[in-house]
Amino acid sequence: DAKTTQPNSMESNEEEPVHLPCNHSTISGTDYIHWYRQLPSQGPEYVIHGLTSNVNNRMASLAIAEDRKSSTLILHRATLRDAAVYYCILRSGGSNYKLTFGKGTLLTVNP
Amino acid sequence: DAGITQSPRHKVTETGTPVTLRCHQTENHRYMYWYRQDPGHGLRLIHYSYGVKDTDKGEVSDGYSVSRSKTEDFLLTLESATSSQTSVYFCAISEGGNTGELFFGEGSRLTVL
Repeated sequence: DAKTTQPNSMESNEEEPVHLPCNHSTISGTDYIHWYRQLPSQGPEYVIHGLTSNVNNRMASLAIAEDRKSSTLILHRATLRDAAVYYCILRSGGSNYKLTFGKGTLLTVNP
Repeated sequence: DAGITQSPRHKVTETGTPVTLRCHQTENHRYMYWYRQDPGHGLRLIHYSYGVKDTDKGEVSDGYSVSRSKTEDFLLTLESATSSQTSVYFCAISEGGNTGELFFGEGSRLTVL
């Protein structure tokens, strides 16, 4: 599986936007970019995914670089509940759809 | 929330004893996965299943076996538990496809003394 690189940790203030970066320079043309997050003491949960175009949903936005070698998860207004580990993952169909998780980015949200 | 439950949620056992963790789903999803999570390692895939009786190894499969005799249940067995298998175990399910989400259970905390 193609690998991703994320910062180990980031900090944000409540009600401010957060931009979580992810580098995936070896991405292939069929790899989808998925983001999951894991709240304390819970299992991971799906946040968003995309292939080439930017995506928005109720939780977040995903901005994908034109060359697809990087992406950014955007939380428009961070809340204390957004404090979690965020995982950026590449998913391709040739691997029985299993996801390989890295260590993710620990996001701290300050009140 | 996806219908996925893990049991037991907490277990303490002794080295050398067999342990079985159960993952049960009510979503009729084809794919099921077992991950373990340890400090400093993130989530690592142990085994996964792509259908009834169809399973394959993940990145950390040594010391673990799995079985899936019906769609809704995926069992993870530690034949002879060791202290290195102390961990939090997560089950996940998915319909598959490049856009298919993984839905995770709440985790099973296993302590091997």
